[in-house]
Amino acid sequence: GAVVSQHPSWVICKSGTSVKIECRSLDFQATTMFWYRQFPKQSLMLMATSNEGSKATYEQGVEKDKFLINHASLTLSTLTVTSAHPEDSSFYICSGGQGARTGELFFGEGSRLTVL
Amino acid sequence: GEDVEQSLFLSVREGDSSVINCTYTDSSSTYLYWYKQEPGAGLQLLTYIFSNMDMKQDQRLTVLLNKKDKHLSLRIADTQTGDSAIYFCAEKDEKLTFGTGTRLTIIP
Repeated sequence: GAVVSQHPSWVICKSGTSVKIECRSLDFQATTMFWYRQFPKQSLMLMATSNEGSKATYEQGVEKDKFLINHASLTLSTLTVTSAHPEDSSFYICSGGQGARTGELFFGEGSRLTVL
Repeated sequence: GEDVEQSLFLSVREGDSSVINCTYTDSSSTYLYWYKQEPGAGLQLLTYIFSNMDMKQDQRLTVLLNKKDKHLSLRIADTQTGDSAIYFCAEKDEKLTFGTGTRLTIIP
């Protein structure tokens, strides 16, 4: 299947700093990528839909100024957690697909963020 | 909003079949998915089914879809220890909504 790669796999940062997470589709072009957040022992919650060349669409309750999403190319979307706080500590996962035609959606390995 | 429900836990003896069930509420779902998540890892797409199908088989995996009852199941034949993981079902209309996940434990 298609490959989606995330970087970094884990990151520890101090409270108040910003952290950028990259999501790359390695062998396909993704016009749309999705960013999810997963708390321990819970399901995935969609944060936002990232559209190449346009603004991301955020889910209700997700602060767009705190979670900045950029989708500058068909193979790269980034999520920046600005002024991170301990409550932002979570597992962030991105996904991308080859379009509605196939229905397939592939997920990255996830990035574990710990804010001290 | 859309709601996807799963049982939280399932224990199965090695070699038996596992059946993981999922119910959803969105009647406009176009695709339904099964993902596997091992500890500390991302999600691995196992299989998916288009909403106008009622069954899909892929090696040890069989997906059954009852669209009328909005019920989806995943059967794993000859369950092995490597199948231990959390299994998420998900339905897609405009966005992908995940179930709560079912933790599958294999009993030797």
